[in-house]
Amino acid sequence: EDQVTQSPEALRLQEGESSSLNCSYTVSGLRGLFWYRQDPGKGPEFLFTLYSAGEEKEKERLKATLTKKESFLHITAPKPEDSATYLCAVQARGYQKVTFGIGTKLQVIP
Amino acid sequence: DAGVTQSPTHLIKTRGQQVTLRCSPKSGHDTVSWYQQALGQGPQFIFQYYEEEERQRGNFPDRFSGHQFPNYSSELNVNALLLGDSALYLCASSLSGGAGVEQFFGPGTRLTVL
Repeated sequence: EDQVTQSPEALRLQEGESSSLNCSYTVSGLRGLFWYRQDPGKGPEFLFTLYSAGEEKEKERLKATLTKKESFLHITAPKPEDSATYLCAVQARGYQKVTFGIGTKLQVIP
Repeated sequence: DAGVTQSPTHLIKTRGQQVTLRCSPKSGHDTVSWYQQALGQGPQFIFQYYEEEERQRGNFPDRFSGHQFPNYSSELNVNALLLGDSALYLCASSLSGGAGVEQFFGPGTRLTVL
C-alpha cells in the first residue's frame, strides 16, 4: 500500500529564515508526486508535480525536489503569507488514487 | 474561468440521516475525485468518477456512493451517517489521461454529524 510520511509535523520560522520540508514515500511505481498548500478551512491549492528522480520545480520562494524515496520542499526567505499547511501526495502508475500525508504546518513569524 | 465549486458550504446532520454533496468541476475537466479530510489529517481518497462511472474506490464502506452526470458534475451520497463521518469533504477535478495528473480542489463541504 502506498505511504507518505511528512516531517516535521509543525515548523515555526522567522521571516527570512529558509528551511526545508520533507516527504518520504513508498509507492509501487511512481506516476507523480504532488505538493499542495492548504489554508485553514479551505481546499488544497496545487503547487507542483514531480515525475522522476532528479527533477526540480520552482515557484516564487518555493522549490521542490525529488529522489527515489523522498521529496523536499525548500522555502527560501519565507514571508508571513507563506504560513499554511503543506501537503505531499503520491499517485502510483495504473491507479487513480492519490495518497496524501498529514502535512507540515508552517508558521512564519514577522 | 470558474474553478471547482462545491455545495453546500456547511451542513449539520444527525446520526442515521442521509446527505448529498455536490461538485462542479473546473471548466474543461472531465474527471472528479472525492476526498474526506478529518481534522488534522490529510485528505483520504473516497472514489473517482470518469465517464459517469466509478473508476476506482478507496477504503470506504458502501454507505458512501456517488454519481457523475453528463456535464461532468458529481454528487457524493452518504447514508446512515455516523459521528465519525464528520469531516471536510473535498471534490477535486482533473483532465483524464497522460502522466501524473494534477487535481484541482474545491473549497470543500464541512459536514457535522450530531
